[in-house]
Order: sequence, then C-alpha cells, then structure tokens
Amino acid sequence: AQTVTQSQPEMSVQEAETVTLSCTYDTSESDYYLFWYKQPPSRQMILVIRQEAYKQQNATENRFSVNFQKAAKSFSLKISDSQLGDAAMYFCAYRTNFGNEKLTFGTGTRLTIIP
Amino acid sequence: GAGVSQSPRYKVAKRGQDVALRCDPISGHVSLFWYQQALGQGPEFLTYFQNEAQLDKSGLPSDRFFAERPEGSVSTLKIQRTQQEDSAVYLCASGTAFNQPQHFGDGTRLSIL
Repeated sequence: AQTVTQSQPEMSVQEAETVTLSCTYDTSESDYYLFWYKQPPSRQMILVIRQEAYKQQNATENRFSVNFQKAAKSFSLKISDSQLGDAAMYFCAYRTNFGNEKLTFGTGTRLTIIP
Repeated sequence: GAGVSQSPRYKVAKRGQDVALRCDPISGHVSLFWYQQALGQGPEFLTYFQNEAQLDKSGLPSDRFFAERPEGSVSTLKIQRTQQEDSAVYLCASGTAFNQPQHFGDGTRLSIL
C-alpha cells in the first residue's frame, strides 16, 4: 500500500518570502501522479499543482513549483512571494496510474503567513 | 452550479441515529469519490463510483456505512447507528475521466453527540 508522509505539521513564512513544504511517499509502482492540495478554512480542497511521475521536468504553476526526486521518493512544494491568501492547510497526495483513481493523502502542513 | 455541491454543510446527530449525506457532482462527471477527514488529519478514501457502478468500497470503515449513486449523478452516503468516532468532515469529489484531477466539494461536517 502507498503511504504519504508530511513531517512538518506547521510552517510559517514572512509575506513575500519563499517557503518549502516537504513530502515523502512510499510506493512500489513506477507510474503515478503526485499532487499538492490547499484546504482553506472553507474546507474545499483546491488543486495547487500536480506532477506525473514519468515526467522528469518539475511542474510549475505561477508562484508554485515542485522539486520532484523520484529516486528519493520526495515531492516538495515551493511557494515564492508568499501572500496572505496562501495561508491554509496543504496536503500532499498520491494516485496510482493503474486502475483506482483514489487519492492517498498525507496528514497536512498548516502554513501561516506573517504580514 | 459550477462546482461539486454537498449538503447539508453541517449535521448534528445523536449517537445511534441514521444520517444521510448528499453529493451533487459537476454535471457530466463520471467518477465520484467519498473521503472522510478526521480533525487534524488528511482525508481518507471511503468509496469510488464510476457512473452508477461502485468500483471500490474498501475504505468504508464498517457495514454501517453505505453509499449509492443509482442514476450515475447524485450520490448519497448513509451512516446507520452513528457512533462518536463517525464525527468527521465528509468530502465528496468528482472527475471527468481518468488522469484528470478531482474537484472537491466543501464537505459536510458531521458531529455525533
């Protein structure tokens, strides 16, 4: 079974600075997807960025980018120019590319933005 | 609406009561998922539908939990004889096809007294 580990329960960053959230995972599969979701107090999970395991290039979405290290099974999220609206719980998630599309989530990192 | 709609947003029930939680997926979305999110935890998979077929229910914690999607659109998650450990946020997500990201609703917060 796949597992996802987020070792940082809480992180804080000064507004306009850069912060990196860590995620490691365990799987025996070679083809899969990794995701970062943001969950504000409204509870809705919002997709931030996704990475396909067979792609070596790290995904980027505006101020959000990932550092995907497949051999190390590491998938960190970098947020540049942090904004107050980035404050939320961030979840790393795994999905196989075979069959069931269910997501396996980590326990989350609460990100606080300091004005 | 444009997004996944869940109702009610909050539900309070006494231990032993039955509850039903509703999910309206985005129109045309084939896949539908239910997740349970305990306080301070990440969501955990409960069950998965493709159209009206329930393809995976391995995450349902007990036979008190039952989900259906009879016409391949709206889904209902039913919990019978609720217990305190059932208190959680229940999230619904839908998707268009394989390899497309899931879209989540706002969830139902269930509190069992």
